Amino acid sequence: KNQVEQSPQSLIILEGKNCTLQCNYTVSPFSNLRWYKQDTGRGPVSLTIMTFSENTKSNGRYTATLDADTKQSSLHITASQLSDSASYICVVSEGGNEKLTFGTGTRLTIIP
Amino acid sequence: NAGVTQTPKFQVLKTGQSMTLQCAQDMNHEYMSWYRQDPGMGLRLIHYSVGAGITDQGEVPNGYNVSRSTTEDFPLRLLSAAPSQTSVYFCASSYSTVNTGELFFGEGSRLTVL
Repeated sequence: KNQVEQSPQSLIILEGKNCTLQCNYTVSPFSNLRWYKQDTGRGPVSLTIMTFSENTKSNGRYTATLDADTKQSSLHITASQLSDSASYICVVSEGGNEKLTFGTGTRLTIIP
Repeated sequence: NAGVTQTPKFQVLKTGQSMTLQCAQDMNHEYMSWYRQDPGMGLRLIHYSVGAGITDQGEVPNGYNVSRSTTEDFPLRLLSAAPSQTSVYFCASSYSTVNTGELFFGEGSRLTVL
């Protein structure tokens, strides 16, 4: 069964610090991997979409990496801000069909 | 450009009642879908549509009905609500296939079934 596992489940860091969130997947065949940010009470918003050939992709202070060989991805947040407090969801797209597999998310809390 | 609009934002139902969650998008997206989000679980696909007049089942379709008469609208019907359908429901749309296109989500509809 295709799975997407994220770690840690939750994380608390001080404002201004960096952090890295992890995503491991078993989805095959692989099409692309996405990171979404979901604020409390809101819908998920796309941060990045990475295909098989992309190792790194940045969106402002967010940088995603992908290792398709080990089936791992990470999301690095630089110089965190209070507005970064949210759940971050890793999503993997299965090649050849319309199926997305969602991780359960990492709940990130930034404290002043 | 409003994006994906869901109504209502909150709803409380009694077991056995029926209702419709509305979803509309103004981006001329062909692909639309409904997900449910439950604590400790990833979003799960209920139903999806790749264009007007075409719908298909997702991972957890039982107890739900959909139709797609226009490109803009994709309502989700709960036929006879059960407590297990207490959840947050998200509508999402994409310009092309979900494999290649960015998925845009609505703000969610929180449903409680007593």
